[in-house]
Amino acid sequence: GENVEQHPSTLSVQEGDSAVIKCTYSDSASNYFPWYKQELGKRPQLIIDIRSNVGEKKDQRIAVTLNKTAKHFSLHITETQPEDSAVYFCAASLNTNAGKSTFGDGTTLTVKP
Amino acid sequence: DVKVTQSSRYLVKRTGEKVFLECVQDMDHENMFWYRQDPGLGLRLIYFSYDVKMKEKGDIPEGYSVSREKKERFSLILESASTNQTSMYLCASSRLTEAFFGQGTRLTVV
Repeated sequence: GENVEQHPSTLSVQEGDSAVIKCTYSDSASNYFPWYKQELGKRPQLIIDIRSNVGEKKDQRIAVTLNKTAKHFSLHITETQPEDSAVYFCAASLNTNAGKSTFGDGTTLTVKP
Repeated sequence: DVKVTQSSRYLVKRTGEKVFLECVQDMDHENMFWYRQDPGLGLRLIYFSYDVKMKEKGDIPEGYSVSREKKERFSLILESASTNQTSMYLCASSRLTEAFFGQGTRLTVV
């Protein structure tokens, strides 16, 4: 089955700096790659996703890049703010009706004011 | 706005008890999932269902079973709770890809 590895497990940055979280996956058939943000005590929520026919996607301060050949994808957050502090999960799945995703272990991002 | 609601936020059960965790979604989604979340281990899939009365094992099904009698409801059953099942349990639903999560049930087995 699919295996997703996520690095780093913890990341601390100063407010205004950029943060990068990287994930690799094993199943070349995976074609949908979402990123979820989980604030302390809250449920995970989708923040951005990318499909295999796209190399990069941006939404304001958040961007995701995908390298299908190397089977890795990354989340980039620019101009970080304290409210970006959370656990971030990457995931990989097949874009089918099952919608089953395999998640990475999560990255705890702390943005220091 | 999609709502996925789990019946309990916190639950304390004794070893050997049969435990039911309930999840209801209101968006007519075909797919429903149960995940377990432990520190440093991310979200691990226990079971999922893509239709009423259909179920498939995820990555860690041992010690669990599920029931889906109606489209909107997906139940996780711990047949005989053990201390190593103390964890946060998250239910999710989806139509195709994006998963919508419930608020989680923190289960403690003593």
